[in-house]
Amino acid sequence: GAVVSQHPSRVICKSGTSVKIECRSLDFQATTMFWYRQFPKQSLMLMATSNEGSKATYEQGVEKDKFLINHASLTLSTLTVTSAHPEDSSFYICSAPLVTGDWSYTFGSGTRLTVV
Amino acid sequence: TQLLEQSPQFLSIQEGENLTVYCNSSSVFSSLQWYRQEPGEGPVLLVTVVTGGEVKKLKRLTFQFGDARKDSSLHITAAQPGDTGLYLCAGDVTGQGGKLIFGQGTELSVKP
Repeated sequence: GAVVSQHPSRVICKSGTSVKIECRSLDFQATTMFWYRQFPKQSLMLMATSNEGSKATYEQGVEKDKFLINHASLTLSTLTVTSAHPEDSSFYICSAPLVTGDWSYTFGSGTRLTVV
Repeated sequence: TQLLEQSPQFLSIQEGENLTVYCNSSSVFSSLQWYRQEPGEGPVLLVTVVTGGEVKKLKRLTFQFGDARKDSSLHITAAQPGDTGLYLCAGDVTGQGGKLIFGQGTELSVKP
């Protein structure tokens, strides 16, 4: 089945540095990718929607200059957390919609970011 | 703002008990999906309900979509410790592969 490969699965970085998270669609083209953030034992919060070849759409309250999204190809979307702070520590997940009769969504395995 | 209210948020039961999780909204959804998520992993799709009044069964799990397509429920019969996890409902508003609206999640713990 369609798979979204997300890397890295875990990353620890120092405050003030930037971290890039990649999501690649395997065996299908993802013109759209959704980026979520999840705190422990809580639900997924949509951060932004990336579209191949155009600017990402950010949800209210999400700083676009801090969370840079690039969707330069039909199989790769990246989220860069710039100037990371401890409060950015979270679980980040990407998801791509695809048509399988009805629309369905495949999720990456997530990235655990810890900022120290 | 479209919201999907999921309840209960936490549930701790004994093995063999039954339980029901609810998702309610004032919005109409093209479809509603239920996911299960293990710690440190992405959500895994359990089922998608599309038609109002639809009922789907997946072994001991029964999913129902409200007639008006605004609400859904997940019922687990004879819960087992292996059912422990975070259950999420998510509504698709547009039916065109647009963003999903997630409920708050239900953290289920089934004790042996």
